[in-house]
Amino acid sequence: QSVLTQSPSASGTPGQRVTISCSGSSSNIGSNTVNWYQQLPGTAPKLLINNNNERPSGVPDRFSGSKSGTSASLAISGLQSEDEADYYCAAWDDSLNGVVFGGGTKLTVL
Amino acid sequence: EVQLVESGGGLVQPGGSLRLSCAASGFTFSTYSMNWVRQAPGKGLEWVSFINSRTSTIYYADSVKGRFTISRDNAKNSLYLQMNSLRTEDTAVYYCARWGYDSLDYWGQGTLVTVSS
Repeated sequence: QSVLTQSPSASGTPGQRVTISCSGSSSNIGSNTVNWYQQLPGTAPKLLINNNNERPSGVPDRFSGSKSGTSASLAISGLQSEDEADYYCAAWDDSLNGVVFGGGTKLTVL
Repeated sequence: EVQLVESGGGLVQPGGSLRLSCAASGFTFSTYSMNWVRQAPGKGLEWVSFINSRTSTIYYADSVKGRFTISRDNAKNSLYLQMNSLRTEDTAVYYCARWGYDSLDYWGQGTLVTVSS
């Protein structure tokens, strides 16, 4: 059972906007920044969003993040076939003294 | 270009030991905290351990505490994970990841550890 809660799956058609949510608690999302990772099939995870809503260099502006209280969300607009991947939210947890992850959301582009 | 290259994975029997290494390049290794993260086959990501730049702060997940030891050699730009008393549930791909901007900002390609008799 993951500390952060994500829906296991999401889907959309090309061009659509999809949102993936992540729920935590006061010791993690409520007091620290949220990061999102994209894992394409057979590859290592890659940082997609850091500090709640910042995109590292090279990440398309189709990807955006937000945080409110103990929840966060990742939005993908203009969905493309290459966006089909697993997406994980994560945050530092002050009670556990470590990084906690969501269980991951498998995004399917129909 | 930041590069993290893990090595040392393989097949080991339950109760056995293994030492993973992560060679870092393309950044000033001695100024960054580092982590190990693992992923069991078909499962999600699980954080394993954290070490700060000077080795003064170290954290472990409860699942590995007392069995795994994280260390680093800043002179060799290398991160290590000594894994003892291995269990079948430790079977996973192990990634080293840099801690930057309050995130795991760069990841290696991973090394597979299989614990089986």
